[in-house]
Amino acid sequence: SAVISQKPSRDICQRGTSLTIQCQVDSQVTMMFWYRQQPGQSLTLIATANQGSEATYESGFVIDKFPISRPNLTFSTLTVSNMSPEDSSIYLCSVEKGMNTEAFFGQGTRLTVV
Amino acid sequence: DAKTTQPNSMESNEEEPVHLPCNHSTISGTDYIHWYRQLPSQGPEYVIHGLTSNVNNRMASLAIAEDRKSSTLILHRATLRDAAVYYCILRRYGGSQGNLIFGKGTKLSVKP
Repeated sequence: SAVISQKPSRDICQRGTSLTIQCQVDSQVTMMFWYRQQPGQSLTLIATANQGSEATYESGFVIDKFPISRPNLTFSTLTVSNMSPEDSSIYLCSVEKGMNTEAFFGQGTRLTVV
Repeated sequence: DAKTTQPNSMESNEEEPVHLPCNHSTISGTDYIHWYRQLPSQGPEYVIHGLTSNVNNRMASLAIAEDRKSSTLILHRATLRDAAVYYCILRRYGGSQGNLIFGKGTKLSVKP
């Protein structure tokens, strides 16, 4: 298994500002992902966080808006930049220890933009 | 990714079995069938997965149709803690095609 710690667990931010969300795993993992879950909706994959290289973004998500870092095999950050109320969502970190194996999810970061 | 179709919601009584259906008529030979669930205010958790044969684990059973165009997640005795959104996902192993892509899922309510 893998235990994931996400920080912060929730935040209320002013529009136009940026928030960086941290994802720390208790063991080395191969794959790390970031998801967004808008209110009442399912999860949408934002990007795959690649260790030592640029993240791979899904259609509709860009690096300027959601820069991602992954400096090692246990840690990643997602920044939500220049926030607007439409960015109010839960952001979740997910990890897999091997390619296409069981995924583990953090508890999520509940972001409210006012 | 091949798509799945699930009922929006289902109800069950506590202590009774629950059969959650999933249709995936465009499944390919290399697609695995995965199930995850999301309890209220939590991240999703893995439930079970399979390719062709039925699978059992401590949480549930997965029954896969012979033509693989549908599957059923079986909770043998529903408890209140099983109230969650259940997602049926097809994963084509290998690179980005294997990424978990969530649909709308089935919201399961369990009545005492």
